[in-house]
Amino acid sequence: AQTVTQSQPEMSVQEAETVTLSCTYDTSESDYYLFWYKQPPSRQMILVIRQEAYKQQNATENRFSVNFQKAAKSFSLKISDSQLGDAAMYFCAYSPTGNQFYFGTGTSLTVIP
Amino acid sequence: NAGVTQTPKFQVLKTGQSMTLQCAQDMNHNSMYWYRQDPGMGLRLIYYSASEGTTDKGEVPNGYNVSRLNKREFSLRLESAAPSQTSVYFCASSAGPGANVLTFGAGSRLTVL
Repeated sequence: AQTVTQSQPEMSVQEAETVTLSCTYDTSESDYYLFWYKQPPSRQMILVIRQEAYKQQNATENRFSVNFQKAAKSFSLKISDSQLGDAAMYFCAYSPTGNQFYFGTGTSLTVIP
Repeated sequence: NAGVTQTPKFQVLKTGQSMTLQCAQDMNHNSMYWYRQDPGMGLRLIYYSASEGTTDKGEVPNGYNVSRLNKREFSLRLESAAPSQTSVYFCASSAGPGANVLTFGAGSRLTVL
């Protein structure tokens, strides 16, 4: 079975500070993709960042970056200079090179002004 | 640029009633998906369609049926709604293997009384 675990149901961060959201996954595949999706109160799911497992370099998108540890099957999301608009539910997701996508249970991020 | 459109956005049903959630995408994507989102459980795959003419069960298919009407449209039907099907439903699409990015609709909140 392929599973995704987000062990932090809730996190909070002070505005302008940095926060890291954790994600681990279980797979026997060697080639796959990992994602972080953001779900604000509007309910719309928005892709934040994507990592391809065969790439050793960690993906970055502006203030968002990941720490991808393939051997440890860990994929954490770092948000730098947190903004009020970053407040949302964040989902980690895994996809092997096929049609299946597996999601974690989510981490609710609160940004404190 | 509509992306993925799903209707209705909200629906209240009585136990035993039937209904169909509609989904359409205008990105010429091959693969389409139906997920349900419940508190503390993340997104769970109900059914997916890897390509026009094919459908496969996901993690929680019981009580649901799907139809891939054409490449654009993928509907989800509840034949006899139960309170356990109260949830937020998301349709998503992907270009297919190798592209591996899901684009989501805005979600449909279904309440079964």
